Amino acid sequence: GNSVTQMEGPVTLSEEAFLTINCTYTATGYPSLFWYVQYPGEGLQLLLKATKADDKGSNKGFEATYRKETTSFHLEKGSVQVSDSAVYFCALSGGYNKLIFGAGTRLAVHP
Amino acid sequence: DTGVSQNPRHKITKRGQNVTFRCDPISEHNRLYWYRQTLGQGPEFLTYFQNEAQLEKSRLLSDRFSAERPKGSFSTLEIQRTEQGDSAMYLCASSLASGGPTDTQYFGPGTRLTVL
Repeated sequence: GNSVTQMEGPVTLSEEAFLTINCTYTATGYPSLFWYVQYPGEGLQLLLKATKADDKGSNKGFEATYRKETTSFHLEKGSVQVSDSAVYFCALSGGYNKLIFGAGTRLAVHP
Repeated sequence: DTGVSQNPRHKITKRGQNVTFRCDPISEHNRLYWYRQTLGQGPEFLTYFQNEAQLEKSRLLSDRFSAERPKGSFSTLEIQRTEQGDSAMYLCASSLASGGPTDTQYFGPGTRLTVL
């Protein structure tokens, strides 16, 4: 069945460091891929998405490229800020567009 | 657009009691989803409505769980005879069928259930 695997956290970085959070997936067909973010005390928010192979999703300085050959959708940001501290979830769309999530990766950025 | 709302935000109940949660989606969104999230895990799909029709239910949704979406507007999720293992955050999301490859789901703040 469809599944998503994310790197385990927590990931701890200093401000302005480069961020990579790995995400790989297993799926039949050609799902859309997503990154959602959950800030402390808030609900899940869509960060970015890509709907087909080689698409790049981007938002707020974050990027991820849909790599069909490696079944990956790694999240990157060139320079993180303290305000980026949150839990990040990789997800794919299954039947009826339901989302299948990874376990989440907690990011802590300190000054 | 006031976003997806869920009530109550927190519910504490004793084992064996019934509980009901409500979700109000973004108006005009015709798709509505329920997910469950336990501590340290990602959300897991429970069920999906297109308008008032419940089109898919996860095997996670035991016979004690029932969901409705009368008139295709708000939705309720009821858990009968709650068990401690039901303790989790219950999330609702809605989307508008766009005809494209996928639509964006907007999530509510969730209802945190604690079963004592």
